[in-house]
Amino acid sequence: DVKVTQSSRYLVKRTGEKVFLECVQDMDHENMFWYRQDPGLGLRLIYFSYDVKMKEKGDIPEGYSVSREKKERFSLILESASTNQTSMYLCASSTFLRGRPEHTDTQYFGPGTRLTVL
Amino acid sequence: AQSVSQHNHHVILSEAASLELGCNYSYGGTVNLFWYVQYPGQHLQLLLKYFSGDPLVKGIKGFEAEFIKSKFSFNLRKPSVQWSDTAEYFCAGYGNNRLAFGKGNQVVVIP
Repeated sequence: DVKVTQSSRYLVKRTGEKVFLECVQDMDHENMFWYRQDPGLGLRLIYFSYDVKMKEKGDIPEGYSVSREKKERFSLILESASTNQTSMYLCASSTFLRGRPEHTDTQYFGPGTRLTVL
Repeated sequence: AQSVSQHNHHVILSEAASLELGCNYSYGGTVNLFWYVQYPGQHLQLLLKYFSGDPLVKGIKGFEAEFIKSKFSFNLRKPSVQWSDTAEYFCAGYGNNRLAFGKGNQVVVIP
């Protein structure tokens, strides 16, 4: 079974703090993703990565950065946390079908980190 | 960029009723379509997916979905729901190198 783990289930931080959210997958997947999930808004893509040291902006990258130094690990960084970043953060990984980026296979999700910024 | 829309965000129904959740996507190129489910307190997990071939796809727990290209739709159905189907359901479409999610349907099944 694919396993995607996230470093914390719950996190409470203060405004202005630097926050690191870690995600590790154990299936040698090329692709990793960070989403935030908010009630009534569904999942919104923050950043994704198709390879080590590679990153691409998703739909809502402002206020976030990412790091992918190893294939299995993808970190989300909030440089200066703000209250509007209070949310559930989900990490996911997937592989390409037939090695082609226009066809992605199932994304496997971690349990999520519920971040509260006070 | 492609987008996915879901209607009727909140659905309440009784056990044994039939369920249909609508999903429309706005992308005309190669598209892979998914339905994910999130049970209370659990991870998002895959219900079913469509890449090509038979437009009627069957997933886990008795769910199915039909891809209708002319309508840009990928509606999810279950003929008889159970209390354990209470969950949030998300439609997603992959195209243009990214996966777009709908806003989800919160489904509550009353015993």
